[in-house]
Amino acid sequence: DTGVSQDPRHKITKRGQNVTFRCDPISEHNRLYWYRQTLGQGPEFLTYFQNEAQLEKSRLLSDRFSAERPKGSFSTLEIQRTEQGDSAMYLCASRPGLAGYEQYFGPGTRLTVT
Amino acid sequence: DAKTTQPTSMDCAEGRAANLPCNHSTISGNEYVYWYRQIHSQGPQYIIHGLKNNETNEMASLIITEDRKSSTLILPHATLRDTAVYYCIETESGNTPLVFGKGTRLSVIA
Repeated sequence: DTGVSQDPRHKITKRGQNVTFRCDPISEHNRLYWYRQTLGQGPEFLTYFQNEAQLEKSRLLSDRFSAERPKGSFSTLEIQRTEQGDSAMYLCASRPGLAGYEQYFGPGTRLTVT
Repeated sequence: DAKTTQPTSMDCAEGRAANLPCNHSTISGNEYVYWYRQIHSQGPQYIIHGLKNNETNEMASLIITEDRKSSTLILPHATLRDTAVYYCIETESGNTPLVFGKGTRLSVIA
């Protein structure tokens, strides 16, 4: 399977703990996006990268959230001191930088904070 | 906030055409209309996009009105596997982050 992959698929954590999610984009896609989706809502943009550079961050991305994309390949999204309101599906998407227009989404990581 | 409006839900009989409308009355001249769908517990899947002209691919057809203020996604022969939430998005280019609304929940009924 050469699609976007995310790990883990499910994560249950206790409030106050830190969690880290990983996204592996499609090879050679230089744009990578993170979105968050809560129940009954469409995905909401969090941040995106062009290669290793983080180009834009949403106001939704509080100081407890940090994202990296070292070497412009995989990306990680870390949430520190998790809160119950962080419970959501975290989606990653990638796309080619020059050719093509659509974003390809991964299956998501479902986070439950208890 | 999303700039498009879509009906909350629709039903369609299996084998019939599903026509999903979308209003984008504030769309600007350089903005495309993109359609994605999300099957339960999966990530969104790209369907089709267009600027001015009608478009067709192996999944669907996109009909854009001449004034570009609305469009219709057509699934010509809906199957049970087409049951999903369908999102209509206007965006300047595929590079920019997508702004999703709540979409239309399409239920295909046997």
